[in-house]
Amino acid sequence: SAVISQKPSRDICQRGTSLTIQCQVDSQVTMMFWYRQQPGQSLTLIATANQGSEATYESGFVIDKFPISRPNLTFSTLTVSNMSPEDSSIYLCSGDRGTEAFFGQGTRLTVV
Amino acid sequence: KQEVTQIPAALSVPEGENLVLNCSFTDSAIYNLQWFRQDPGKGLTSLLLIQSSQREQTSGRLNASLDKSSGRSTLYIAASQPGDSATYLCAVIEGGSEKLVFGKGTKLTVNP
Repeated sequence: SAVISQKPSRDICQRGTSLTIQCQVDSQVTMMFWYRQQPGQSLTLIATANQGSEATYESGFVIDKFPISRPNLTFSTLTVSNMSPEDSSIYLCSGDRGTEAFFGQGTRLTVV
Repeated sequence: KQEVTQIPAALSVPEGENLVLNCSFTDSAIYNLQWFRQDPGKGLTSLLLIQSSQREQTSGRLNASLDKSSGRSTLYIAASQPGDSATYLCAVIEGGSEKLVFGKGTKLTVNP
């Protein structure tokens, strides 16, 4: 199955700063997805990223807060901007190979 | 709006026991259903994918079934081991969409 390398695996950040999370896929995928998992909760989709076009955001998520880049078919970044403690979560990226979704290892973000 | 429910939220069993995890979804017009495993603070590992035309899938000690008409799936784990301890997540992809909708998961603890 395909592999996604996600980094950083964890970080502790000061409020008001920004963090960029990177995901590198070992082969080309058409669509990549970014999820947030708040403590004790399941995964919530933030946005869908296609190459060469602006990401599509889900209700409750905006580009100014979570800008996404997708420069090619194997790479994407998510930035969490102007962070507050409420942004403390696990952030995950995923892609799909045919019908099966696969995930990166996740980034555990703590904002202090 | 599709909703995915997993019961029970937590389960503790002795080693060697066979067990069943349940997943239900409100809209039967799904494209496929996927079971994942998540270890604490980590990303998701895909366990089994069942396409909408299939009834079940097997991998080793795991067997997943799908009844689309009733909106239900089960994950059967045979001869459980302490290494099976993790949170198990069920997710569906609706027809016409590539987005996963997740349940909240079942936290499984297998005691030696």
